[in-house]
Amino acid sequence: AQSVAQPEDQVNVAEGNPLTVKCTYSVSGNPYLFWYVQYPNRGLQFLLKYITGDNLVKGSYGFEAEFNKSQTSFHLKKPSALVSDSALYFCAVKPGGNEKLTFGTGTRLTIIP
Amino acid sequence: KAGVTQTPRYLIKTRGQQVTLSCSPISGHRSVSWYQQTPGQGLQFLFEYFSETQRNKGNFPGRFSGRQFSNSRSEMNVSTLELGDSALYLCASSLKLGGTEAFFGQGTRLTVV
Repeated sequence: AQSVAQPEDQVNVAEGNPLTVKCTYSVSGNPYLFWYVQYPNRGLQFLLKYITGDNLVKGSYGFEAEFNKSQTSFHLKKPSALVSDSALYFCAVKPGGNEKLTFGTGTRLTIIP
Repeated sequence: KAGVTQTPRYLIKTRGQQVTLSCSPISGHRSVSWYQQTPGQGLQFLFEYFSETQRNKGNFPGRFSGRQFSNSRSEMNVSTLELGDSALYLCASSLKLGGTEAFFGQGTRLTVV
């Protein structure tokens, strides 16, 4: 069975600094990996995905993520944080095919002005 | 293009009652998945429907059920409500079963009193 770990419940970053939100996964075979963001009282919004190809994936709002197969990680990054990036971030994995999407527990990102 | 629409947005029910939530996927999307989001458990997969058939199921009791109609709209039903069923219920649609990108609705906030 697949699983996702987001080791940090909360990440605080000063505005303008680079940010990283960590994610590691466990899945058999080649994974499909995703990042979603959730703003208060809203559903999840898709940020980016890795299916195959280049290990560095670029997504919405200036976010990117790096797939590292040896470390089974898919960390979310942004070079310069904005206050508007403050939200709840979810990493998700599926093993491909018709399998379901499995989410991590979420990381609350707070950007401090 | 309209997004995923979930109705109602908010619901208050009494223990023992039953409830039906509705999800209209993005036009042309044929797969609908349901998730339960709670502060303690995070995002838990309930089930996925495609072509009016349940294709995947999570680890929830039989009180949780769903269906999908020929126009891809989906409903989920929870019978004999318990206090622990209070949660944000999210619906996601994908173009096809196992689609690599899921689009989420804003959710239905269910409160059981």
